[in-house]
Amino acid sequence: EAGVVQSPRYKIIEKKQPVAFWCNPISGHNTLYWYLQNLGQGPELLIRYENEEAVDDSQLPKDRFSAERLKGVDSTLKIQPAELGDSAVYLCASSLGTSGGETQYFGPGTRLLVL
Amino acid sequence: QKEVEQNSGPLSVPEGAIASLNCTYSDRGSQSFFWYRQYSGKSPELIMFIYSNGDKEDGRFTAQLNKASQYVSLLIRDSQPSDSATYLCAVSVSGGTSYGKLTFGQGTILTVHP
Repeated sequence: EAGVVQSPRYKIIEKKQPVAFWCNPISGHNTLYWYLQNLGQGPELLIRYENEEAVDDSQLPKDRFSAERLKGVDSTLKIQPAELGDSAVYLCASSLGTSGGETQYFGPGTRLLVL
Repeated sequence: QKEVEQNSGPLSVPEGAIASLNCTYSDRGSQSFFWYRQYSGKSPELIMFIYSNGDKEDGRFTAQLNKASQYVSLLIRDSQPSDSATYLCAVSVSGGTSYGKLTFGQGTILTVHP
């Protein structure tokens, strides 16, 4: 069974440019998460989806970050405009959700460098 | 006070020894506890989870939970150099809108030397 897929794996952009990350969760997983991980820190939740609905976006900086999960499968996280401090690893995770379990499985992540 | 605290390490143990990784949490409503391993440059991978007080064993790994003390630990027996990684403790307050919301510690760096 395929795991969580993310793309791109690496992205280098200049500040003030837009950037987008894509995630395809494990098949059948209703819950999808976007995390941010800074060097030497644990992942921090940005947003959590139950199917199409964003049930927890309290940690998402809404002035520059946006996310969507159309049709309740794939998801896109966007930053516009990017700032130097956004350099980090963006992780996507999925779980079966309320229907079957909260254990989360992570994708490989997207490493973002903002110059 | 951080919600989930871990000693950042590094923790260095010789090959074959027992590595003990500790984690404390502040929310008494926490019900689910997870240990993830993260190799450098890679994403976290689940080692094991524990819900009930006591010990849970899986191969060389044993998770220990003490809800009264708000403490969870991971023991790695017969440590191998391949166990060298960062170990992340994650805690979930299950139920309601918080279902599945994990709060991670900063991780403990483990080095197993030959």
